[in-house]
Amino acid sequence: GQSLEQPSEVTAVEGAIVQINCTYQTSGFYGLSWYQQHDGGAPTFLSYNALDGLEETGRFSSFLSRSDSYGYLLLQELQMKDSASYFCAVRDRGGNQGGKLIFGQGTELSVKP
Amino acid sequence: IAGITQAPTSQILAAGRRMTLRCTQDMRHNAMYWYRQDLGLGLRLIHYSNTAGTTGKGEVPDGYSVSRANTDDFPLTLASAVPSQTSVYFCASSDNHQGRAFFGQGTRLTVV
Repeated sequence: GQSLEQPSEVTAVEGAIVQINCTYQTSGFYGLSWYQQHDGGAPTFLSYNALDGLEETGRFSSFLSRSDSYGYLLLQELQMKDSASYFCAVRDRGGNQGGKLIFGQGTELSVKP
Repeated sequence: IAGITQAPTSQILAAGRRMTLRCTQDMRHNAMYWYRQDLGLGLRLIHYSNTAGTTGKGEVPDGYSVSRANTDDFPLTLASAVPSQTSVYFCASSDNHQGRAFFGQGTRLTVV
């Protein structure tokens, strides 16, 4: 099966940089993706790593190391509106149970003034 | 506007009743998913479908069934609702080999 581990909570101040880690166990997957969810809303896509390395999208960057079964989401120049829950996810590559998109339990980020 | 639509947005349901949550997407995505979200438990996969005509069980499939008669629609049925199925349900879709999934706005279901 698959499992993903994330810290449950992270707190940072406005303007700072924060890193949210994700470690996973899976037999094979297409890549690691990240989603943001504000209270009462639907998850929205942030970033995707199909290959090892860093992907940058504005203030958000994501990193994947398949050899370490590890990835992270980096948020720079934090703003109050970044307070939300952040989820990592992997999509199973194949086999008779292939195709599942599995999420971690989420990290609640609180940005303080 | 392209996207994924769920209905209803909220529902109060008597225990023992049958209920179908609807999900429709117009992006021609092959893969579709149903999740439930409960406080502190993140998004848990109920059922999924890689393509029309096929479905698979997720992490918490018991008490739920799905069908995928065509590419666009992926309804989730609770045959006999129980209070433990009170949750927020999200439908999502993606292209099979892409990492980006699109989510519906969610259905808040309360079983009493």
